[in-house]
Amino acid sequence: QVHLQESAPGLVKPSETLPLICTVSGGSISRDYWSWIRQPPGKGLEWIGFISFSGNINYNPSLKSRVTISSDKSNNQFSLRLTSVTAADTAVYYCARSRAWSPFDFWGQGILVTVSS
Amino acid sequence: DIQMTQSPSTLSAYEGDRVTITCRASQSIVDWLAWYQQKPGKAPKVLVYKASTLQTGVPSRFSGSGSGTEFTLTISSLQPDDFATYYCQQYNDYPWTFGQGTKVEV
Repeated sequence: QVHLQESAPGLVKPSETLPLICTVSGGSISRDYWSWIRQPPGKGLEWIGFISFSGNINYNPSLKSRVTISSDKSNNQFSLRLTSVTAADTAVYYCARSRAWSPFDFWGQGILVTVSS
Repeated sequence: DIQMTQSPSTLSAYEGDRVTITCRASQSIVDWLAWYQQKPGKAPKVLVYKASTLQTGVPSRFSGSGSGTEFTLTISSLQPDDFATYYCQQYNDYPWTFGQGTKVEV
């Protein structure tokens, strides 16, 4: 059973950078695809991007200019950095796994990040 | 981007009802579609993938159908545990996109 756990500061100031880390256990990030997905309070889901087992990265164009996804295989973690945040970036951020041509089958519990001064 | 449009946005139903949710894609996604169930404060859970394949462990009262641009999720007999929000998601093309959600309530 794959387990994912997000970690992040709960509060980030506008214009700053939001760092998120997803720690994976029960599986290896040297396999499969590892995504970030977010959900503003009371709203729907938005896929942010993924990093693959081979290091390929794909970003949602809506956020591409502000997003960096990377991985740390030695710690079985992958991370997201979102720059120049605004209140519109306030959301629950999820990390999730998928396989090639497959849905998100394992998700973290999600972490609420609030952007506010 | 491929737009995913779900209908209805909210659905009122009773235990035992047959419930159908529709998802339309703005262009063909073949059958690269998944359905998720989300309860308040929880992460989404995949129910169906490749339009009609039931995820392991998901009750057989859930079923998915469709191809191309029109898809449906059916719950044959609504159970108390099924009151939740349901999302469709296409993974045919980047960026992967979700429908806006359908809330199933009493």
